[in-house]
Amino acid sequence: DAGVTQSPTHLIKTRGQQVTLRCSPKSGHDTVSWYQQALGQGPQFIFQYYEEEERQRGNFPDRFSGHQFPNYSSELNVNALLLGDSALYLCASSLIRGNDLIFGPGTRLTVL
Amino acid sequence: AQTVTQSQPEMSVQEAETVTLSCTYDTSESDYYLFWYKQPPSRQMILVIRQEAYKQQNATENRFSVNFQKAAKSFSLKISDSQLGDAAMYFCAYRIDRDDKIIFGKGTRLHILP
Repeated sequence: DAGVTQSPTHLIKTRGQQVTLRCSPKSGHDTVSWYQQALGQGPQFIFQYYEEEERQRGNFPDRFSGHQFPNYSSELNVNALLLGDSALYLCASSLIRGNDLIFGPGTRLTVL
Repeated sequence: AQTVTQSQPEMSVQEAETVTLSCTYDTSESDYYLFWYKQPPSRQMILVIRQEAYKQQNATENRFSVNFQKAAKSFSLKISDSQLGDAAMYFCAYRIDRDDKIIFGKGTRLHILP
């Protein structure tokens, strides 16, 4: 079992560009959550997807959007990138309302 | 506002010794779950231990145990017989029962001295 996988590992973009990050959940999990971890901070909840719908959203602007596919994999899209979007983006999978959240290794996004 | 406070940005402990990481949280909810996560330099967040707020007994997982004081809203992590592999960032976190998001503290960086 590969656990939660994320791609790419690292990404460099410039201000104003758009980016798509990808996540494959652990086998058997049906829920995907995304977190943003700025340098020196704890992760902050962006949103959660279940049954291909956004189930809950944190305090992030509409520039952050997502999608979940029928195979439970997920994408995080960020439009009009700002310098402040530079962070480690963590994907985590679980069963719905489960506490056994499994995190992926993250995607390090740098916005120049 | 729901918050998690970790007052120790960094700590050091000698190998084989015991260390306690502190955490306080603020919530008006009665049903919630508390967690300690470990994030080594590889960046992968790993669940160390979980505590259900309705359980009075403190959770233990091998060398890791917690001191859960519900009235004081305190949730400290004790690591016994510290090992070099314990060096990492440790995050205290919680989730209220009717919610999906986990709220994290800012973390404590733990150094293990050989």
